[in-house]
Amino acid sequence: DTGVSQDPRHKITKRGQNVTFRCDPISEHNRLYWYRQTLGQGPEFLTYFQNEAQLEKSRLLSDRFSAERPKGSFSTLEIQRTEQGDSAMYLCASSLDGPGSGDYSTDTQYFGPGTRLTVL
Amino acid sequence: AQTVTQSQPEMSVQEAETVTLSCTYDTSENNYYLFWYKQPPSRQMILVIRQEAYKQQNATENRFSVNFQKAAKSFSLKISDSQLGDTAMYFCAFMNPPLGRLYFGRGTQLTVWP
Repeated sequence: DTGVSQDPRHKITKRGQNVTFRCDPISEHNRLYWYRQTLGQGPEFLTYFQNEAQLEKSRLLSDRFSAERPKGSFSTLEIQRTEQGDSAMYLCASSLDGPGSGDYSTDTQYFGPGTRLTVL
Repeated sequence: AQTVTQSQPEMSVQEAETVTLSCTYDTSENNYYLFWYKQPPSRQMILVIRQEAYKQQNATENRFSVNFQKAAKSFSLKISDSQLGDTAMYFCAFMNPPLGRLYFGRGTQLTVWP
């Protein structure tokens, strides 16, 4: 397994445009998380999925943000009508809440490389 | 609400020396996990070490070990025999299962110099 992957790695957009990011988790992982990280800060939780169900959303996830995980595999995070304040690194992580192949610890989140969003 | 505090924004250590990064947290929960993650300049967050609150024994992973003081709500990371590749931002994180979300501190920038 190649770990968690995210696409694109960088995105530059103009204010008011819509953007969509993709995350592919580790294949055996049933949980998927989205975080946002601004410069000089630790990541902040946005939302998470168990399989295809979105179980928790942060208050940070305004109406302009939507996340999906169809079929419990990859996930997308869409931001509509982007604002300059949306500029950040968007991190995806995945974890397993039960026994797995042994390569990964249960209930431990493994992160992707992130998507850096710049809104002009 | 859970909070995680890292009081050292920056630390530096000479190669081969030992350094300790501090972390405190606040929670009313009894069952939780604590983590240290490392984020090198390439920005990929990498797991360093994990500790379950119910375990009294401190976790160790090669040169990395923790000092977990549950009553004091303290979770420090000790890096022995520091290497240049240890230069990174280190984040302490808390998780209360089964909710799953991680609460992160603001990080400590560690620089290892030759």
